[in-house]
Amino acid sequence: QVQLQQSGPGLVKPSQTLSLTCAISGDSVSSNSAAWTWIRQSPSRGLEWLGRTYYRSKWYNDYALSVKSRITFNPDTSKNQFSLHLNSVTPEDTAVYYCARAYSGSLNVWGQGTTVTVSS
Amino acid sequence: DIVMTQSPDSLAVSLGERATINCKSSQSILYSSNNKNYLTWYQQKPGQPPKMLIYWASTRESGVPDRFSGSGSGTDFTLTISSLQAEDVAVYFCQQYYETPHTFGQGTKLEIK
Repeated sequence: QVQLQQSGPGLVKPSQTLSLTCAISGDSVSSNSAAWTWIRQSPSRGLEWLGRTYYRSKWYNDYALSVKSRITFNPDTSKNQFSLHLNSVTPEDTAVYYCARAYSGSLNVWGQGTTVTVSS
Repeated sequence: DIVMTQSPDSLAVSLGERATINCKSSQSILYSSNNKNYLTWYQQKPGQPPKMLIYWASTRESGVPDRFSGSGSGTDFTLTISSLQAEDVAVYFCQQYYETPHTFGQGTKLEIK
């Protein structure tokens, strides 16, 4: 059974970097059939797909244009996890952040969610 | 980006009755080479992450009750709950995965009448 366990701070100051990690059990971050995805949810923006990282003989990343200049994903094969780094955050980045596994595009396993507030 | 628009925004249905939620994409999400519609339906209950119900527009995920069904093709899709149960109270979302970004609908809140 695949499980995703999220970790990271719930409070980030404006202009700083939001960093979250998603630890995978029951699957591999290097899987040739999965894509490891970040999504966020807020009342103002609804569910927003932020991007994905996946391995198909080499690593690929896709990012949403709305955050592309500020976001990076880092898969860590040694720890079987992947992380999200979103820099220069503003209060508009306040949301519940989810990691998820995409299989053929559908998000079939989700992390528990992390509520992140951007505030000084 | 492909825009996903759900209707209605909220819906109240009596227990045992049929609930129907619609989802419309701003462009076709039917991939002609494999004749598959790149659409997923999710259910989200308060304080929980979304749960996948239906993928490829009409394939039910393992363990999902058969009262849930998905239909449609191209740009117009429907999630139907044939006989509403109390545990079906939730918000339902559609999502396209035809092209990135994989955009979501705004959600439909389903309640008991």
